[in-house]
Amino acid sequence: DAGVTQSPTHLIKTRGQQVTLRCSPKSGHDTVSWYQQALGQGPQFIFQYYEEEERQRGNFPDRFSGHQFPNYSSELNVNALLLGDSALYLCASSLVGTTPYEQYFGPGTRLTVT
Amino acid sequence: TQLLEQSPQFLSIQEGENLTVYCNSSSVFSSLQWYRQEPGEGPVLLVTVVTGGEVKKLKRLTFQFGDARKDSSLHITAAQPGDTGLYLCEGGSYIPTFGRGTSLIVHP
Repeated sequence: DAGVTQSPTHLIKTRGQQVTLRCSPKSGHDTVSWYQQALGQGPQFIFQYYEEEERQRGNFPDRFSGHQFPNYSSELNVNALLLGDSALYLCASSLVGTTPYEQYFGPGTRLTVT
Repeated sequence: TQLLEQSPQFLSIQEGENLTVYCNSSSVFSSLQWYRQEPGEGPVLLVTVVTGGEVKKLKRLTFQFGDARKDSSLHITAAQPGDTGLYLCEGGSYIPTFGRGTSLIVHP
């Protein structure tokens, strides 16, 4: 049973650049959520995608955008990178309507902005 | 904004000791999840609690959901070095909310 996968594992970018991170959900899941985890903090919810649409969004600026494809995989795009965007970016997948709600995380992408 | 407060923030103990970590909120949650996260990895789901007063056991780990569904605790009996990690709680809500975590180190 394939778990959540993310690519790339690590990424180094310069301020002002743009980045795209990718996520494939766990087999059988249809919903993908993205989180930002700064060092020493818990994950902060960025947004969630279901049926190729953004369903919920946390307190993140419009520089953060996403997409979900028909095969349920997803991308996170961040424009005009800032030093403060350096973090571990986590993708989690779940199945809508499951009770109780549970999500499963990928290993994350470590983004460093210099 | 719903907040989850976790305590203690850091815990360093010897192998064989018992410990309890806490997750508290002023809000009611429909469910609460506990995860363990190792450095550079994603959180791994340990348990989900749903019913107020519910107790779940996972080997040496005991999870309890408060009667009012606003708080939860995780008790580890006879901790082992393999228990080392960041323990996170997440409240089930419209916007997923995580605590800052408890960083546990178990020394051999």
